[in-house]
Amino acid sequence: RKEVEQDPGPFNVPEGATVAFNCTYSNSASQSFFWYRQDCRKEPKLLMSVYSSGNEDGRFTAQLNRASQYISLLIRDSKLSDSATYLCVVNPPNDYKLSFGAGTTVTVRA
Amino acid sequence: ETGVTQTPRHLVMGMTNKKSLKCEQHLGHNAMYWYKQSAKKPLELMFVYSLEERVENNSVPSRFSPECPNSSHLFLHLHTLQPEDSALYLCASSRTGGYGYTFGSGTRLTVV
Repeated sequence: RKEVEQDPGPFNVPEGATVAFNCTYSNSASQSFFWYRQDCRKEPKLLMSVYSSGNEDGRFTAQLNRASQYISLLIRDSKLSDSATYLCVVNPPNDYKLSFGAGTTVTVRA
Repeated sequence: ETGVTQTPRHLVMGMTNKKSLKCEQHLGHNAMYWYKQSAKKPLELMFVYSLEERVENNSVPSRFSPECPNSSHLFLHLHTLQPEDSALYLCASSRTGGYGYTFGSGTRLTVV
């Protein structure tokens, strides 16, 4: 089983729509969780950390469900500029290296 | 402006060439990483350095040779590469302890 699994998508949504997707992780003792955004042919950039209580940053909401071992990302009022690949990233226990998912592609259309 | 700088941004090299990729960070991080990302594929971890010591080598062919002379600099020396080595090579740094990475802009390598 992969350490981090994501639905590759693509999720094609119209501007203004809400889009949400999950990521599952295999190690129940994982400590830190992140969402990264990667634009085409660019480097990944940290979008937000994911906290146990869930957190929101503008139109983006991240949730962590430890019991079911998944994290989610919800994007409200989608903008064309939200089109990107979103990488789910998990820090396994006792390791500072991060485990990356393969990414979920989101395309927002006008 | 990223805190991790990679050079060159683009590189085209023949299979018999020797070249080096350079990565520099001024974030005070103590771990540095090389990743490979081929088209439409996820990130592949190549090497990890922690406190200037190589702590991981993920079965990478010997034609890739990393070097970490100090905590701010990381190199990837390339020689006799194959066309399938063409990819985006990303450097990243972090503090140890489960913190997020900061990535450089990457070197887009084409082997001809």
